[in-house]
Amino acid sequence: DARVTQTPRHKVTEMGQEVTMRCQPILGHNTVFWYRQTMMQGLELLAYFRNRAPLDDSGMPKDRFSAEMPDATLATLKIQPSEPRDSAVYFCASGSNSYYEQYFGPGTRLTVT
Amino acid sequence: SQKIEQNSEALNIQEGKTATLTCNYTNYSPAYLQWYRQDPGRGPVFLLLIRENEKEKRKERLKVTFDTTLKQSLFHITASQPADSATYLCAPNQGGKLIFGQGTELSVKP
Repeated sequence: DARVTQTPRHKVTEMGQEVTMRCQPILGHNTVFWYRQTMMQGLELLAYFRNRAPLDDSGMPKDRFSAEMPDATLATLKIQPSEPRDSAVYFCASGSNSYYEQYFGPGTRLTVT
Repeated sequence: SQKIEQNSEALNIQEGKTATLTCNYTNYSPAYLQWYRQDPGRGPVFLLLIRENEKEKRKERLKVTFDTTLKQSLFHITASQPADSATYLCAPNQGGKLIFGQGTELSVKP
């Protein structure tokens, strides 16, 4: 059945390194969301795209985070340089419309030491 | 500022009973609200969506209410089962995006 896939599932890196997370949305979905989840802050929206165009990235630290959709089957989230406070689980979700239900991937657990 | 509050403490109930989870929001008026379930180590899974002009929505053992005057949604699981144990997230919309609450952890004991 159709699922959102994310790679890698786990990433451990040292402070200052670049981190790239990838997401393959469900085929046919035109809306893609990036979230970050921590115990303290819960699930926070970082950015979202519709038809590959960024609509809102107000939740993302602009100086170090960037999100793109090079094509309809791939969304990327990059952190450069990474910091220990970026340690969290990053989820990608897709939907057929930003107003309808979202389908979440399994997440990337990032640890920055 | 906009705020979403869910039962802050974990909810423990006996199998077969009805679980009721609360979601309160302040300082905005969502046109719809969604509920998700999240199991440890997994992404949230969509359960139900209710619109502002709907008072109640049902799906099998699940029921959601939406009171725009009280700014509150209630989520009910009837005839609860141990398999219902999970964290439940409330997510009112803001424009084209969802704002998620911190979630309520539900534990159903056999």
